[in-house]
Amino acid sequence: GENVEQHPSTLSVQEGDSAVIKCTYSDSASNYFPWYKQELGKRPQLIIDIRSNVGEKKDQRIAVTLNKTAKHFSLHITETQPEDSAVYFCAPATEYGNKLVFGAGTILRVKS
Amino acid sequence: GAVVSQHPSWVICKSGTSVKIECRSLDFQATTMFWYRQFPKQSLMLMATSNEGSKATYEQGVEKDKFLINHASLTLSTLTVTSAHPEDSSFYICSARDSASSYNSPLHFGNGTRLTVT
Repeated sequence: GENVEQHPSTLSVQEGDSAVIKCTYSDSASNYFPWYKQELGKRPQLIIDIRSNVGEKKDQRIAVTLNKTAKHFSLHITETQPEDSAVYFCAPATEYGNKLVFGAGTILRVKS
Repeated sequence: GAVVSQHPSWVICKSGTSVKIECRSLDFQATTMFWYRQFPKQSLMLMATSNEGSKATYEQGVEKDKFLINHASLTLSTLTVTSAHPEDSSFYICSARDSASSYNSPLHFGNGTRLTVT
Protein backbone atom coordinates (compact mmCIF):
# COMPACT_ATOMS: atom_id res chain seq x y z
CA GLY A 1 0.00 0.00 0.00
CA GLU A 2 0.84 3.65 -0.18
CA ASN A 3 3.14 5.13 2.48
CA VAL A 4 2.79 8.87 2.85
CA GLU A 5 5.07 11.12 4.86
CA GLN A 6 4.44 14.78 5.39
CA HIS A 7 6.93 17.34 6.71
CA PRO A 8 7.05 19.35 8.81
CA SER A 9 4.45 18.29 11.34
CA THR A 10 4.13 21.87 12.58
CA LEU A 11 5.10 25.12 10.94
CA SER A 12 4.97 28.60 12.40
CA VAL A 13 5.50 31.58 10.13
CA GLN A 14 5.12 35.31 10.40
CA GLU A 15 2.29 36.89 8.48
CA GLY A 16 3.46 37.71 4.98
CA ASP A 17 6.11 35.02 4.90
CA SER A 18 5.98 31.92 2.73
CA ALA A 19 5.22 28.39 3.89
CA VAL A 20 6.24 25.14 2.25
CA ILE A 21 5.01 21.67 3.15
CA LYS A 22 6.43 18.55 1.55
CA CYS A 23 4.76 15.22 0.96
CA THR A 24 6.62 12.04 0.06
CA TYR A 25 4.81 8.97 -1.22
CA SER A 26 5.83 5.44 -2.10
CA ASP A 27 3.44 4.17 -4.78
CA SER A 28 4.82 4.94 -8.23
CA ALA A 29 1.33 4.33 -9.63
CA SER A 30 -0.03 7.42 -7.86
CA ASN A 31 -1.42 9.81 -10.41
CA TYR A 32 -3.33 12.39 -8.42
CA PHE A 33 -1.81 14.76 -5.85
CA PRO A 34 -4.16 17.00 -3.86
CA TRP A 35 -3.71 19.21 -0.84
CA TYR A 36 -6.49 19.69 1.69
CA LYS A 37 -6.99 22.33 4.36
CA GLN A 38 -8.91 21.37 7.48
CA GLU A 39 -10.05 23.74 10.18
CA LEU A 40 -10.88 22.42 13.63
CA GLY A 41 -13.99 20.26 13.65
CA LYS A 42 -14.69 20.78 9.96
CA ARG A 43 -14.38 18.74 6.81
CA PRO A 44 -11.22 18.85 4.71
CA GLN A 45 -11.39 21.29 1.82
CA LEU A 46 -9.52 20.82 -1.40
CA ILE A 47 -7.27 23.82 -1.98
CA ILE A 48 -5.21 22.67 -4.94
CA ASP A 49 -4.45 19.50 -6.84
CA ILE A 50 -2.19 18.33 -9.62
CA ARG A 51 -2.18 15.40 -12.02
CA SER A 52 0.85 13.31 -12.84
CA ASN A 53 1.36 14.86 -16.25
CA VAL A 54 1.92 18.34 -14.83
CA GLY A 55 4.92 19.53 -12.81
CA GLU A 56 3.54 22.70 -11.26
CA LYS A 57 0.22 24.41 -10.76
CA LYS A 58 -0.54 27.77 -9.23
CA ASP A 59 -3.71 29.40 -7.97
CA GLN A 60 -3.13 32.89 -6.62
CA ARG A 61 -1.10 32.52 -3.40
CA ILE A 62 -1.10 28.74 -3.49
CA ALA A 63 1.03 26.47 -5.66
CA VAL A 64 1.81 22.79 -5.86
CA THR A 65 4.94 21.30 -7.38
CA LEU A 66 5.37 17.67 -8.31
CA ASN A 67 8.50 15.58 -8.73
CA LYS A 68 7.35 12.15 -9.88
CA THR A 69 10.86 10.79 -10.19
CA ALA A 70 11.60 11.52 -6.57
CA LYS A 71 8.00 10.76 -5.52
CA HIS A 72 7.26 13.94 -3.69
CA PHE A 73 5.08 16.98 -4.08
CA SER A 74 4.98 20.21 -2.16
CA LEU A 75 2.50 22.88 -1.17
CA HIS A 76 3.67 26.47 -1.36
CA ILE A 77 1.74 29.31 0.25
CA THR A 78 3.02 32.83 -0.31
CA GLU A 79 2.10 36.02 1.56
CA THR A 80 0.59 33.99 4.38
CA GLN A 81 -2.34 35.40 6.31
CA PRO A 82 -3.75 34.50 9.75
CA GLU A 83 -6.71 32.79 8.07
CA ASP A 84 -4.28 30.34 6.47
CA SER A 85 -3.77 28.85 9.94
CA ALA A 86 -5.14 25.30 9.79
CA VAL A 87 -4.06 21.70 9.36
CA TYR A 88 -2.94 20.80 5.85
CA PHE A 89 -3.02 17.28 4.48
CA CYS A 90 -1.58 15.79 1.35
CA ALA A 91 -3.48 12.83 -0.04
CA PRO A 92 -1.82 11.12 -3.02
CA ALA A 93 -3.99 8.66 -4.86
CA THR A 94 -4.13 6.10 -7.60
CA GLU A 95 -7.40 5.17 -9.33
CA TYR A 96 -7.73 8.71 -10.64
CA GLY A 97 -8.18 10.22 -7.22
CA ASN A 98 -10.81 7.96 -5.81
CA LYS A 99 -8.91 6.34 -2.96
CA LEU A 100 -7.09 9.05 -1.08
CA VAL A 101 -4.33 8.16 1.38
CA PHE A 102 -3.89 11.08 3.74
CA GLY A 103 -0.60 12.21 5.20
CA ALA A 104 -0.28 12.82 8.93
CA GLY A 105 -0.97 16.52 8.50
CA THR A 106 0.90 19.76 9.08
CA ILE A 107 -0.28 22.33 11.58
CA LEU A 108 0.35 25.75 10.09
CA ARG A 109 0.28 28.75 12.40
CA VAL A 110 0.52 32.19 10.89
CA LYS A 111 1.43 34.79 13.49
CA SER A 112 0.27 38.33 12.98
CA GLY B 1 -21.60 23.04 -6.64
CA ALA B 2 -21.86 19.42 -5.61
CA VAL B 3 -22.93 18.91 -2.01
CA VAL B 4 -22.55 15.92 0.26
CA SER B 5 -24.81 15.98 3.27
CA GLN B 6 -23.93 13.94 6.33
CA HIS B 7 -26.29 13.30 9.22
CA PRO B 8 -26.19 13.55 12.14
CA SER B 9 -23.44 16.10 12.67
CA TRP B 10 -22.92 14.81 16.18
CA VAL B 11 -24.27 11.97 18.28
CA ILE B 12 -23.77 10.70 21.81
CA CYS B 13 -24.67 7.11 22.53
CA LYS B 14 -24.25 4.61 25.30
CA SER B 15 -21.76 1.79 25.13
CA GLY B 16 -23.26 -1.29 23.49
CA THR B 17 -25.77 0.54 21.32
CA SER B 18 -25.65 1.03 17.56
CA VAL B 19 -25.46 4.28 15.65
CA LYS B 20 -26.30 4.93 12.00
CA ILE B 21 -24.67 7.72 10.02
CA GLU B 22 -26.06 8.82 6.67
CA CYS B 23 -24.16 10.25 3.73
CA ARG B 24 -26.18 11.74 0.89
CA SER B 25 -25.14 13.28 -2.39
CA LEU B 26 -27.70 16.04 -2.80
CA ASP B 27 -27.35 17.06 -6.44
CA PHE B 28 -25.42 14.26 -8.05
CA GLN B 29 -25.28 10.50 -8.18
CA ALA B 30 -22.40 8.57 -6.68
CA THR B 31 -21.80 4.92 -7.42
CA THR B 32 -18.93 4.99 -4.96
CA MET B 33 -18.62 6.70 -1.62
CA PHE B 34 -15.78 6.58 0.89
CA TRP B 35 -15.89 6.46 4.68
CA TYR B 36 -13.06 7.94 6.74
CA ARG B 37 -12.42 8.06 10.46
CA GLN B 38 -10.39 10.75 12.18
CA PHE B 39 -9.28 10.57 15.80
CA PRO B 40 -8.40 13.81 17.60
CA LYS B 41 -5.26 15.46 16.27
CA GLN B 42 -4.75 12.65 13.80
CA SER B 43 -5.14 12.17 10.09
CA LEU B 44 -8.07 10.80 8.14
CA MET B 45 -7.94 7.04 7.78
CA LEU B 46 -9.91 5.35 5.04
CA MET B 47 -12.21 2.74 6.55
CA ALA B 48 -14.07 1.41 3.55
CA THR B 49 -15.27 2.02 0.03
CA SER B 50 -19.01 1.89 -0.36
CA ASN B 51 -20.27 0.54 -3.68
CA GLU B 52 -23.86 1.04 -4.83
CA GLY B 53 -25.66 -2.26 -5.15
CA SER B 54 -22.79 -4.40 -3.93
CA LYS B 55 -20.71 -5.13 -0.88
CA ALA B 56 -18.41 -2.55 0.58
CA THR B 57 -14.66 -2.97 0.41
CA TYR B 58 -13.01 -2.62 3.80
CA GLU B 59 -9.48 -1.53 4.52
CA GLN B 60 -7.16 -3.80 6.42
CA GLY B 61 -7.87 -3.80 10.12
CA VAL B 62 -11.43 -2.49 9.85
CA GLU B 63 -14.03 -4.95 11.13
CA LYS B 64 -16.78 -5.35 8.56
CA ASP B 65 -19.19 -6.81 11.11
CA LYS B 66 -18.74 -3.84 13.40
CA PHE B 67 -18.93 -1.11 10.78
CA LEU B 68 -21.84 -2.03 8.55
CA ILE B 69 -22.07 -0.16 5.27
CA ASN B 70 -25.11 -0.06 3.04
CA HIS B 71 -25.20 1.75 -0.30
CA ALA B 72 -28.71 1.02 -1.47
CA SER B 73 -29.13 3.93 -3.86
CA LEU B 74 -26.99 6.20 -6.01
CA THR B 75 -27.37 9.04 -3.53
CA LEU B 76 -27.22 7.39 -0.13
CA SER B 77 -24.66 5.41 1.82
CA THR B 78 -25.02 4.56 5.49
CA LEU B 79 -22.46 3.54 8.07
CA THR B 80 -23.71 1.74 11.16
CA VAL B 81 -21.40 1.42 14.13
CA THR B 82 -22.67 -1.67 15.92
CA SER B 83 -22.18 -2.34 19.62
CA ALA B 84 -20.32 0.92 19.99
CA HIS B 85 -17.60 1.27 22.60
CA PRO B 86 -15.77 4.35 23.90
CA GLU B 87 -12.80 3.59 21.62
CA ASP B 88 -15.13 4.06 18.63
CA SER B 89 -15.55 7.71 19.58
CA SER B 90 -14.23 9.60 16.60
CA PHE B 91 -15.01 11.94 13.72
CA TYR B 92 -16.50 10.01 10.80
CA ILE B 93 -16.44 11.65 7.36
CA CYS B 94 -17.79 10.45 4.04
CA SER B 95 -16.83 11.56 0.55
CA ALA B 96 -18.18 11.02 -2.94
CA ARG B 97 -17.62 11.93 -6.57
CA ASP B 98 -20.22 12.65 -9.20
CA SER B 99 -20.46 9.45 -11.25
CA ALA B 100 -21.36 11.43 -14.35
CA SER B 101 -18.33 13.68 -14.23
CA SER B 102 -14.85 12.95 -15.49
CA TYR B 103 -12.20 11.37 -13.34
CA ASN B 104 -10.63 14.80 -13.04
CA SER B 105 -13.43 16.08 -10.86
CA PRO B 106 -12.67 16.35 -7.15
CA LEU B 107 -14.09 14.33 -4.30
CA HIS B 108 -16.70 16.08 -2.18
CA PHE B 109 -16.64 15.61 1.57
CA GLY B 110 -19.51 15.62 3.99
CA ASN B 111 -19.36 17.79 7.11
CA GLY B 112 -18.54 14.81 9.28
CA THR B 113 -20.20 13.19 12.28
CA ARG B 114 -18.74 13.51 15.75
CA LEU B 115 -19.51 10.27 17.60
CA THR B 116 -19.09 10.10 21.36
CA VAL B 117 -19.67 6.78 23.09
CA THR B 118 -20.16 6.98 26.84
